[in-house]
Amino acid sequence: NAGVMQNPRHLVRRRGQEARLRCSPMKGHSHVYWYRQLPEEGLKFMVYLQKENIIDESGMPKERFSAEFPKEGPSILRIQQVVRGDSAAYFCASSVGGSREKLFFGSGTQLSVL
Amino acid sequence: SQQGEEDPQALSIQEGENATMNCSYKTSINNLQWYRQNSGRGLVHLILIRSNEREKHSGRLRVTLDTSKKSSSLLITASRAADTASYFCATGRIKAAGNKLTFGGGTRVLVKP
Repeated sequence: NAGVMQNPRHLVRRRGQEARLRCSPMKGHSHVYWYRQLPEEGLKFMVYLQKENIIDESGMPKERFSAEFPKEGPSILRIQQVVRGDSAAYFCASSVGGSREKLFFGSGTQLSVL
Repeated sequence: SQQGEEDPQALSIQEGENATMNCSYKTSINNLQWYRQNSGRGLVHLILIRSNEREKHSGRLRVTLDTSKKSSSLLITASRAADTASYFCATGRIKAAGNKLTFGGGTRVLVKP
């Protein structure tokens, strides 16, 4: 049973380009969470999704950031018109569901904006 | 300050010693989890303790939870060089959607051989 898969592992973009980060949850998991981590800091919650639904996006910046988790395929975190401040590690986690289950994390995507 | 603050921020010990780190939080929680992160890697789940539990063990790990003080501790006994990593506590809050976790800033542990 493969773990949470994120790709790409590293992503380099120039300012103004778009970044698309993918996350395939563990088999049987229907809940996906995205977190962002700046150097030497903890993870900051961005968004929580279930299939075809955004449940909680309270941590998402109001502009340029969007997320989806379609019925088929991976969850996508999309950042439009990237700026240097978007450089960070982006982690995806999945869970079976419910409010008392542990999260399984992917290895993250390191986004570098030049 | 944010939910889930670890203390100390950094810890340096000799191999074989015990490492203890603490986590404090502010709001009522469903559960508290500890994770390990090696440099540049993803998070590895270590242990989950529910709000109605006071202590849990897993191998060389011991976690305590004191909901009256809103604090938790992680003890690593007989540390090894391979335990060098950052350790994060994360809280799952009551009435939050799903199991949205709030992470602290982490404790960076260095175990010297």
